Amino acid sequence: GQNIDQPTEMTATEGAIVQINCTYQTSGFNGLFWYQQHAGEAPTFLSYNVLDGLEEKGRFSSFLSRSKGYSYLLLKELQMKDSASYLCAVRSRGGSYIPTFGRGTSLIVHP
Amino acid sequence: NAGVTQTPKFQVLKTGQSMTLQCAQDMNHEYMSWYRQDPGMGLRLIHYSVGAGITDQGEVPNGYNVSRSTTEDFPLRLLSAAPSQTSVYFCASSYSGRENYGYTFGSGTRLTVV
Repeated sequence: GQNIDQPTEMTATEGAIVQINCTYQTSGFNGLFWYQQHAGEAPTFLSYNVLDGLEEKGRFSSFLSRSKGYSYLLLKELQMKDSASYLCAVRSRGGSYIPTFGRGTSLIVHP
Repeated sequence: NAGVTQTPKFQVLKTGQSMTLQCAQDMNHEYMSWYRQDPGMGLRLIHYSVGAGITDQGEVPNGYNVSRSTTEDFPLRLLSAAPSQTSVYFCASSYSGRENYGYTFGSGTRLTVV
């Protein structure tokens, strides 16, 4: 099986930078996803990492270290609209490549 | 381009009733999955399909059935509703399991069993 761990809640200030960590244990690792989910809405895809290193997409970046079973999502120049839940999901070669989700990190951005 | 369409958006059932949650996608995606989301529990996989005619169980399959007769549709059936099935249900689809394609999610069905 897979074990995925994320902090339950984080708070940050508008304009600041926040890093949301995700640690995982799995056999046959085949990729890690980050999703954003606003309250009452569906998750939306943010990023995908399968090789070690940093992937940058505008204000959002995602990092992966496969040897450490570790990823983080970095959000820069925080805006109020970034207040949401951020879900880490891990895919493995077992289970037909269907991703397993962590419990999510609720990010609250305040003025 | 409708994406993933789920119906209904809201439903209240009595214990013991059965119903089908509908999910349809128009993106020709091979992979489709059903998740339930409960407070503090994240998204948990109920059933999934890797193509028409192929389905398999996820983490929490008990009390649910699925079928995949076409690429587009993946309905979820609750056989005899129980209060423990009160949850938000999401259907999701993807081109493939092996590439960097994220899931596209439907807008969700909020189910209450009384």
